[in-house]
Amino acid sequence: SAVISQKPSRDICQRGTSLTIQCQVDSQVTMMFWYRQQPGQSLTLIATANQGSEATYESGFVIDKFPISRPNLTFSTLTVSNMSPEDSSIYLCSVDWQGGGKLFFGSGTQLSVL
Amino acid sequence: KQEVTQIPAALSVPEGENLVLNCSFTDSAIYNLQWFRQDPGKGLTSLLLIQSSQREQTSGRLNASLDKSSGRSTLYIAASQPGDSATYLCAVTRDSNYQLIWGAGTKLIIKP
Repeated sequence: SAVISQKPSRDICQRGTSLTIQCQVDSQVTMMFWYRQQPGQSLTLIATANQGSEATYESGFVIDKFPISRPNLTFSTLTVSNMSPEDSSIYLCSVDWQGGGKLFFGSGTQLSVL
Repeated sequence: KQEVTQIPAALSVPEGENLVLNCSFTDSAIYNLQWFRQDPGKGLTSLLLIQSSQREQTSGRLNASLDKSSGRSTLYIAASQPGDSATYLCAVTRDSNYQLIWGAGTKLIIKP
């Protein structure tokens, strides 16, 4: 199985600032996924990140607000920009290791915006 | 539009009981269905993956079934233990592009 290291595990941020979340995988993967889980709700896919190309964003998410980098096959970052209290959520990265459709997740980043 | 529903939202049972968690989906044209476990501060762990052509998958004390025609899946946990306490999520994909549609989860508490 894939081991995914995600950091920070939690942060408390001020309104208007930005936070970058890192996701490191112990093996090379083609696709990485970023999810958001708002309090008491299901996971929502933010974007899919492929190495060497721009991320593909889901409806309701835009690159200016959630810029993503994918510099190589084992690493990705998600930035939450110009944060507001509505951005308070758990953010999770995920990979489909071996391409079998079985997803592996990082431990998540608990973000609180004051 | 695919919708995934999990019932009950929360469940508390004594240790040792067998239990069933339910997941229903509105569109039977799925690629696969997965059950996950979410522990606080530990992200999600994939438990079982059922392809659309399969009827069930088993892993240890866990058994997941899939009935596409009725839009339902169940997760059966045998001989429950306090360590099974977690939130259990099911998710379906429409095709191989990894667009998972998630249920809201069932929060399970196993009382010693």
